[in-house]
Amino acid sequence: QVQLQESGPGLVKPSETLSLICTVSGGSISSDYWSWIRQPPGKGLEWIGYIYYSGSTKYNPSLKSRVTISVDTSKNQFSLKLSSVTAADTAVYYCARTNPIAAAGSGYFDYWGQGTLVTVSS
Amino acid sequence: SYELTQPPSVSVSPGQTARITCSGDALPKQYAYWYQQKPGQAPVLVIYKDSERPSGIPERFSGSTSGTTVTLTISGVQAEDEADYYCQSADSSGTRWVFGGGTKLTVL
Repeated sequence: QVQLQESGPGLVKPSETLSLICTVSGGSISSDYWSWIRQPPGKGLEWIGYIYYSGSTKYNPSLKSRVTISVDTSKNQFSLKLSSVTAADTAVYYCARTNPIAAAGSGYFDYWGQGTLVTVSS
Repeated sequence: SYELTQPPSVSVSPGQTARITCSGDALPKQYAYWYQQKPGQAPVLVIYKDSERPSGIPERFSGSTSGTTVTLTISGVQAEDEADYYCQSADSSGTRWVFGGGTKLTVL
């Protein structure tokens, strides 16, 4: 059974870069797609983007200018960097295994990490 | 941008049937997926590709589609089904993957 665990600072200052790592266990990262999703406190879910183990990425157009997702297959990890953060980026950040449906261009998330709260504040 | 619209809340009594709808212009072209989220927990996939049920999800959960609306149906609702439910899909080009705003299911 695939398990995912997010890690990283819980507090980031405005204008700085948020950095998180997702560690995958119980399976190899080198066979699937992997996403970051976030949820502001008391609000809904927002897909940030995904990466394939080969390094190819797809990002939410609304965040694309600030997001970088990368993968380290040797550590079975993938990471998120979100630059120039503001209070609006305060959220629980989840990592998830992703199943793209090639013919449709959509996809879904079948295994999720427990999430980590990142607060943007000075 | 592309949006999926869900009712903010649905209430049912135990044993009844709950129906949660999700509307979006691209749903005739794109699959819909449904997630259950309980307080303080990560979402759990309950329906994928409109009507497929992952292993381990009870048979009382089902999905259907009709035009620009997809529906999550929970038959014989149990107290443990009280949660927020989110639909998810993509725009017609597959560029934007989006979630609906979520529906809070209350079991009376």
